Amino acid sequence: SQTIHQWPATLVQPVGSPLSLECTVEGTSNPNLYWYRQAAGRGLQLLFYSVGIGQISSEVPQNLSASRPQDRQFILSSKKLLLSDSGFYLCAWTEIAGANVLTFGAGSRLTVL
Amino acid sequence: AQSVAQPEDQVNVAEGNPLTVKCTYSVSGNPYLFWYVQYPNRGLQFLLKYITGDNLVKGSYGFEAEFNKSQTSFHLKKPSALVSDSALYFCAVRGYGGSQGNLIFGKGTKLSVKP
Repeated sequence: SQTIHQWPATLVQPVGSPLSLECTVEGTSNPNLYWYRQAAGRGLQLLFYSVGIGQISSEVPQNLSASRPQDRQFILSSKKLLLSDSGFYLCAWTEIAGANVLTFGAGSRLTVL
Repeated sequence: AQSVAQPEDQVNVAEGNPLTVKCTYSVSGNPYLFWYVQYPNRGLQFLLKYITGDNLVKGSYGFEAEFNKSQTSFHLKKPSALVSDSALYFCAVRGYGGSQGNLIFGKGTKLSVKP
């Protein structure tokens, strides 16, 4: 069966420090991968998606970047965090074909101080 | 542009009563519609989806949703609410263009079920 792992679960970082959040998927090949951010207002914002290794699409301009070094690995990064980067970050995957049901990881809560 | 609206920030229901969480959408072409649930500090869990076919869709945990094309709605329902149903519920619609899994989410509705 497929599983999705996301870490770290919680992170407290000072402003200006770097960030790396990791997401891996097991039990599937060539998934579509996504990073969402959930701010305090509860809505979900799609940040990045990837349809293959090295293929990254950005939905909104921001202080963050994403990379997909391996088929089932998706990394969210920042060189210098801003206060506004605080939030709950969710990784998700879907199969390329089919009804596109998103399966989410447990999330990473980032607090920037 | 595609969008989805959840007009209620919070819905309060007594245990055992029926519940409805509202969702309306705007999308070009035929919609793919989804409901997800989120428990505190957790990722979203898939409940049900409408792609085509019967307008009444049954999903996990006794939830169902009715697709109404004329009203562009996809309300989530359950005949008898449980305290354990208390959570944040998200409606989503598939956007066209870009990645196939690119869902547009509503802002969420907090469901509170009291004993």
